[in-house]
Amino acid sequence: GEDVEQSLFLSVREGDSSVINCTYTDSSSTYLYWYKQEPGAGLQLLTYIFSNMDMKQDQRLTVLLNKKDKHLSLRIADTQTGDSAIYFCAQLHSGGYQKVTFGIGTKLQVIP
Amino acid sequence: DGGITQSPKYLFRKEGQNVTLSCEQNLNHDAMYWYRQDPGQGLRLIYYSQIVNDFQKGDIAEGYSVSREKKESFPLTVTSAQKNPTAFYLCASREGRDSYEQYFGPGTRLTVT
Repeated sequence: GEDVEQSLFLSVREGDSSVINCTYTDSSSTYLYWYKQEPGAGLQLLTYIFSNMDMKQDQRLTVLLNKKDKHLSLRIADTQTGDSAIYFCAQLHSGGYQKVTFGIGTKLQVIP
Repeated sequence: DGGITQSPKYLFRKEGQNVTLSCEQNLNHDAMYWYRQDPGQGLRLIYYSQIVNDFQKGDIAEGYSVSREKKESFPLTVTSAQKNPTAFYLCASREGRDSYEQYFGPGTRLTVT
């Protein structure tokens, strides 16, 4: 299967940490991604993790990968109102035609 | 100034008409993709192309057609056979097999009445 699943909605207070979770099914995925989409716009790549890594930190963003459970998470430290957006988890499939499949997106609402 | 352009940003059509959405990239990327986004359903892959003159159906190709005659262009035609064409359409590109980053265009919102 090629599904990516994530919860629909998350609400946090400004200054708190946000954790967005995702599960995927393709164990052969080489890269896993987090994208951010603001209203009416395209997708912006926030960060990615290679499948042989457990963790990646990039400023306020921390990605954790549990390959055994096929679980990916994105932690945003010190969440700001500008972080309000939809966050998509995605996986890059290996194989002849390398396609990317996306989760449904988690809408993050940051309360001032 | 490199990137992916999609035009127009908003497109309106009457039911029964075919319509072609433009996607152009000047990143010299080999692979290009078309996605459809509906509220509550995330992104679904319509078609993708790994190289010029080659393309593959994605998960929801019915009612759509594409061409890849030039490396920089990957137009998508929404035909009258597509039952629910109103959606936000996103084009993306990726450099090649060993590249991890997929770049997205700004999207075209198609409304069919």
